[in-house]
Amino acid sequence: DIQMTQSPSSVSASVGDRVTITCRASQDVGSWLAWYQHKPGKAPTLLIYEASTLHNGVPSRFSGTGSGTDFTLTIKSLQPEDFAFYYCQQAKTFPPAVTFGGGTKVEIK
Amino acid sequence: DVQLLESGGSLAQPGGSLRISCAASGFSFNNYAMGWVRQAPGKGLEWVSLVSGSGGSTYYADSVTGRFTVSKDNSQNTISLQMNSLRDEDTAVYYCVKERLSTIVGWFDSWGQGTLVAVSS
Repeated sequence: DIQMTQSPSSVSASVGDRVTITCRASQDVGSWLAWYQHKPGKAPTLLIYEASTLHNGVPSRFSGTGSGTDFTLTIKSLQPEDFAFYYCQQAKTFPPAVTFGGGTKVEIK
Repeated sequence: DVQLLESGGSLAQPGGSLRISCAASGFSFNNYAMGWVRQAPGKGLEWVSLVSGSGGSTYYADSVTGRFTVSKDNSQNTISLQMNSLRDEDTAVYYCVKERLSTIVGWFDSWGQGTLVAVSS
């Protein structure tokens, strides 16, 4: 099974800061990686798929890079609505399975 | 707009059964694979199951294989998850998800608000 490890598990930042979250796969997943945002009590939303492709309607301050085993999600200038949990997810082995990372909480400093 | 509305979550006993459902609207339901992702209290997201657009192919996480069964009713625009032999560790919010494309890729572009399944004696 492919394991996905995110770091940090939480980050405190201020509005306007640049935030970078990393995700490491235990095996090569190519570009089969997505990022999701999840606010407590709400439905998660797809931000990025295929490692770097922005999903429809996602603000351009979000970007994704990487391939193989190492990936990053960058929020260029943090906005108040960006405080949330972020999850990476590999789909290299799908079907039959996808794997999510453990999540990163972006909280207000 | 795509809408996914889950229902059926409740309290169940260990070893018991529960069926949750998801009603979908706003897209060509029969063209898209649908599935379930869950989040246990204080934990991250865990993929549970997926059913193909036609309903003919199903996939499961190892943790639920043999206990859960996913089905798709293209005449009613609904999917369901029959959960048997429930365990404490199945306690979670269960989210209904839709594939982004009409092929199975693994990118979930729409999620429901979730339904809570609690397993406890």
